Amino acid sequence: DGGITQSPKYLFRKEGQNVTLSCEQNLNHDAMYWYRQDPGQGLRLIYYSQIVNDFQKGDIAEGYSVSREKKESFPLTVTSAQKNPTAFYLCASKPIFSRSMDGYTFGSGTRLTVV
Amino acid sequence: DQQVKQNSPSLSVQEGRISILNCDYTNSMFDYFLWYKKYPAEGPTFLISISSIKDKNEDGRFTVFLNKSAKHLSLHIVPSQPGDSAVYFCAASGGAGGTSYGKLTFGQGTILTVHP
Repeated sequence: DGGITQSPKYLFRKEGQNVTLSCEQNLNHDAMYWYRQDPGQGLRLIYYSQIVNDFQKGDIAEGYSVSREKKESFPLTVTSAQKNPTAFYLCASKPIFSRSMDGYTFGSGTRLTVV
Repeated sequence: DQQVKQNSPSLSVQEGRISILNCDYTNSMFDYFLWYKKYPAEGPTFLISISSIKDKNEDGRFTVFLNKSAKHLSLHIVPSQPGDSAVYFCAASGGAGGTSYGKLTFGQGTILTVHP
């Protein structure tokens, strides 16, 4: 079955450490996205990529970095510069030329906790 | 600047009755709106969408209404079932990023509880 796989589901990090969240999709989607969810807030866009080797900052990119070396993969690194990294992180993808947003597919998320 | 707002953090309804979830937006460039359902520690799942050229879209028990002049949309669930209990997010696309870029702007979410 096609879908998006995020791993791990739960992740603990010590303050001052970088950590990388994995996102893999086998939907042949061109565009991929990273969102962050905090309690009582909607999802906020961190980074997005429409094509391999290209990505753009979203609304809250500070303290994060990404890479897009393969179409299937869009890992997110939470760096020590991110002041409040504890959150639920969601990866998504969609076909780039789809005018409809109905093809937007989300992964099951990674809960990151800084200890 | 919260461009998409869901002002009701929670809603409680009886099984079989109608659930109405509301959403307001400020950006007049938004041209596509979606509703997602989300359970804790899971990703959102798509429910229903509406383009700005329509004012209503229906899919089974779910209907979305769009009032462009008021910049308001609502999701009606009839009849409500206990399995509908979840967090519901409205989202919008368009604006500076454009629908083709796939940037979604989300509301804060509304927790729906349907009592048996």
